[in-house]
Amino acid sequence: SAVISQKPSRDICQRGTSLTIQCQVDSQVTMMFWYRQQPGQSLTLIATANQGSEATYESGFVIDKFPISRPNLTFSTLTVSNMSPEDSSIYLCSVVIYGVNTEAFFGQGTRLTVV
Amino acid sequence: SQELEQSPQSLIVQEGKNLTINCTSSKTLYGLYWYKQKYGEGLIFLMMLQKGGEEKSHEKITAKLDEKKQQSSLHITASQPSHAGIYLCGARTSGTYKYIFGTGTRLKVLA
Repeated sequence: SAVISQKPSRDICQRGTSLTIQCQVDSQVTMMFWYRQQPGQSLTLIATANQGSEATYESGFVIDKFPISRPNLTFSTLTVSNMSPEDSSIYLCSVVIYGVNTEAFFGQGTRLTVV
Repeated sequence: SQELEQSPQSLIVQEGKNLTINCTSSKTLYGLYWYKQKYGEGLIFLMMLQKGGEEKSHEKITAKLDEKKQQSSLHITASQPSHAGIYLCGARTSGTYKYIFGTGTRLKVLA
């Protein structure tokens, strides 16, 4: 299994500013993902964080808006840039460790409110 | 694209009652995962099903995957207030470790 520490747990930000969310895992993991959960909605995959290279973004998400870093196997950051109220969501870090089960583990999430 | 549909969207039951949540896909599922989310928090892994016809139980929660691997059900026996939350089914997309998720079922258990 994996223990994921995600920071901050919540924040209230002014529109036009940026927020960087950190995801730290207690073991080396194979894959790291970032998801968004808008109010009342399910989870939507933003991107796959690739170690040492540019993240792979899903349709509808772009690097300029959601820059992602993954400098090593245990750490990743997601930045929400030039925020607007529509960016108010829960952002979740997820990791997968190749193995027998390969279930995804999730951080506790970052609840972002943009005012 | 592959999608997961969950039903019902919300459920209110009296404590002690049984309930079932369904998750349906139009395509064969490549691993089906059930998670629970407390309101506004992260996801807690419940169970994973991979084989057609598989059934798993943990405490009072039982999950099944049909033979065609396109539908799963989550059954809670003798529900308790601690079972309240949002139940999400998720599935790996074929050939990758990306997950798609159902729309969620909000469960409220009345004491």
